[in-house]
Parts: sequence; structure tokens; C-alpha cells
Amino acid sequence: DAGVTQSPTHLIKTRGQQVTLRCSPKSGHDTVSWYQQALGQGPQFIFQYYEEEERQRGNFPDRFSGHQFPNYSSELNVNALLLGDSALYLCASSPQGNGQPQHFGDGTRLSIL
Amino acid sequence: RKEVEQDPGPFNVPEGATVAFNCTYSNSASQSFFWYRQDCRKEPKLLMSVYSSGNEDGRFTAQLNRASQYISLLIRDSKLSDSATYLCVVNRNYQLIWGAGTKLIIKP
Repeated sequence: DAGVTQSPTHLIKTRGQQVTLRCSPKSGHDTVSWYQQALGQGPQFIFQYYEEEERQRGNFPDRFSGHQFPNYSSELNVNALLLGDSALYLCASSPQGNGQPQHFGDGTRLSIL
Repeated sequence: RKEVEQDPGPFNVPEGATVAFNCTYSNSASQSFFWYRQDCRKEPKLLMSVYSSGNEDGRFTAQLNRASQYISLLIRDSKLSDSATYLCVVNRNYQLIWGAGTKLIIKP
């Protein structure tokens, strides 16, 4: 039973570039959430996708966008990268329904130079 | 003030000790509650959900007090492998809101 998988594991970009991160949810899960975790902080909610639509969004600018595909996998896109976007980006999946525990992938560590 | 507050760490305790983590949340509309564990440079892993009636899983006991908006986690007979950061998490409107975490270091 595959868990949540994310790719790539590490990525280095420069300011102003664009990046796409990918996530495949755990088998049986149809809801995908994305989080940004800076060093020494708890994860910050970016957005959640369900039925290929953004269901809820945290306090992140429009530079952060996403997509969910019919197979429930998801992408996170970040445009016009800033130094402050350097962080661990975590994808979590859960069954449909508010309040379900979320299961996390290993994350993508993004470094902006 | 952050929506979810935890004890600042780190906690340094000897192996075999009992450790208590405290957490408060400010939004009374919070709907469900969890403790996650995160090892250094790894993803968070669900430790346990937290219920008003209190729940126990082996050496771990979690409690929720909705009136006080307070959540706790107790680890008994701590092991070296319990060393990690413990994150208090509340769910509200499909999103998880996280505390900053409390680092636990178990010493032999």
C-alpha cells in the first residue's frame, strides 16, 4: 500500500524562476493538501484540493497555485520565486471529509539562491 | 498571538521519565485535534487523534478540554526513540493549523 509520494525530493532554483512540485496521494485518499514548513516552524497551510477544485486556501499569495488531476494526484506551482520561498513543501492526503487525519509525504526541499 | 500555542522547548529528560506537552488553541470553532511527531528533516507523522473523552495508545495519553481550549499529551516511560518534535494540530474548515512544535530530547 503506497503512501504519499512527492517529487522531486530536492530542488534548487534562483529568484524569479517558476517551480512545479508533484504529489501522489495515499491509496484510497481523494483529498490533497499542501503545506510550507520553514526551519524551526510548524507547517503552514497553503491550500487543499478535492474533486479537482481548490476547496480551501491559506494566507498565501496568488504566486502559489495548484491543480488536482482525475487520479487525485496534485501539483503545486510557485511563480516568481523569492528567497523567502525556501522551505520544505509537504503534501498530505486524506479521505474526503472535514477533520480526517492527514498523512504526509517526505516533502520537497526547495532552496532559492 | 498564534492560533495554536505550545510549550517552548526543548525538553531534556532522562530515559524512563514521564513527559507532558501542553497546547492551547484560540479559535473555538476548531473541530478536531491531533498530535503529530516529526523527526529531524523528516515529514510529520500522525501520533494520535485527540478526543474529549481522552484516549490512550500504549505509553501515550492525549486529553482535550474544549471549555479551556487546551490539549495535552503525556508520554510515560520515555524511550530514546521518543526523541523528536511534537506538534499540536487543530483542524478547522478542512485545514490543519499547527503549533510550532516542542522538541523532546531523551537522554540515556
